[in-house]
Amino acid sequence: AQSVAQPEDQVNVAEGNPLTVKCTYSVSGNPYLFWYVQYPNRGLQFLLKYITGDNLVKGSYGFEAEFNKSQTSFHLKKPSALVSDSALYFCAVSRGDSSYKLIFGSGTRLLVRP
Amino acid sequence: EPEVTQTPSHQVTQMGQEVILRCVPISNHLYFYWYRQILGQKVEFLVSFYNNEISEKSEIFDDQFSVERPDGSNFTLKIRSTKLEDSAMYFCASSDLEVTGELFFGEGSRLTVL
Repeated sequence: AQSVAQPEDQVNVAEGNPLTVKCTYSVSGNPYLFWYVQYPNRGLQFLLKYITGDNLVKGSYGFEAEFNKSQTSFHLKKPSALVSDSALYFCAVSRGDSSYKLIFGSGTRLLVRP
Repeated sequence: EPEVTQTPSHQVTQMGQEVILRCVPISNHLYFYWYRQILGQKVEFLVSFYNNEISEKSEIFDDQFSVERPDGSNFTLKIRSTKLEDSAMYFCASSDLEVTGELFFGEGSRLTVL
């Protein structure tokens, strides 16, 4: 069965500092990994994905994530946080099979203080 | 930019009533999904739909739930007899087979069951 763990309910960081939001996964076969962001009262917006290839993937708004197969992790990072990055971040995994179903983690609230 | 649209944005209903949530996926997408999110919590998979049939469904998607694509554009989720615990935000999503799994989400329909 697929599963995703986001161990931190909330991450606090000062504006301008680097940020990391952690994600580990469990899936049989090769994983397809995703990060989505949710702003208050809004839907889920796609940030980035890893399907294959380079372990470091770059996405929207300056975010990037590194796929680490040995640690089964896909942490989200940004070199310099903005107050506007404050939102709820979800990691998700897919088996990449016929349904392309995504299984989401529990979410991590990112709070960037000025 | 093409987007997934959902109606209504908010529906309030009495327990035991039937509810239909509507979605217009992105026009060239082939896979369709419903997810739900109980307030501030995890995004949970309900069902995936491809080629006019359900391809996968979760334990949440019991006999009270059904999906339909009645006219080739709309994708609906019906809850036959709503329960208090059905109160949640329901997200529709669609996916392009060519993009290997990236899901595009609508803004959600908030269902409140009284």
